[in-house]
Amino acid sequence: GAGVSQTPSNKVTEKGKYVELRCDPISGHTALYWYRQSLGQGPEFLIYFQGTGAADDSGLPNDRFFAVRPEGSVSTLKIQRTERGDSAVYLCASSLDSNYGYTFGSGTRLTVV
Amino acid sequence: TQLLEQSPQFLSIQEGENLTVYCNSSSVFSSLQWYRQEPGEGPVLLVTVVTGGEVKKLKRLTFQFGDARKDSSLHITAAQTGDTGLYLCAGDDSSNTGKLIFGQGTTLQVKP
Repeated sequence: GAGVSQTPSNKVTEKGKYVELRCDPISGHTALYWYRQSLGQGPEFLIYFQGTGAADDSGLPNDRFFAVRPEGSVSTLKIQRTERGDSAVYLCASSLDSNYGYTFGSGTRLTVV
Repeated sequence: TQLLEQSPQFLSIQEGENLTVYCNSSSVFSSLQWYRQEPGEGPVLLVTVVTGGEVKKLKRLTFQFGDARKDSSLHITAAQTGDTGLYLCAGDDSSNTGKLIFGQGTTLQVKP
């Protein structure tokens, strides 16, 4: 596609539920990144994929968070047992490789009630 | 830990005024990027600076990378209402993965 697509754009879930957030990167972009942005803050790094593998997952806050990219294209960020503190905008970005600038998606606004 | 501090955090000015946003760190970055973000959208890349002392211009926006590659500034001349948004600086961390460290952002409001 022309840009990075993230779905859903908004997600409201109850505390304790499981959620999946999807990112469809620009075709041919091998590098994919997930960031989390809280209100009034800059994005914080979560995880980086080069192809199918998670090259750096040092930003995942705990083991409730997991991400996959099985075919080296679409990625899914999975959050188990959601907590109210997980509420934020989750941003996905892709680039040709790690030496190029990013294109961000519009994000998924997650609200845990 | 590498950190980027932006100042000011919030700026409200009249159309036509000039402004400067600062991005500072005690760490050296191999490159630094500036993004602009509007509500409900992801950040959009404005510029990347890689050489100490580098100055880049994008219409009314002037970006400078400090000589020591620890700080950067964004200057806007004759601000317009369309410049309103969140401005973010981001440094390329030393892991060579393309991972970025973002500042907390500067919210700019330009009033007509």
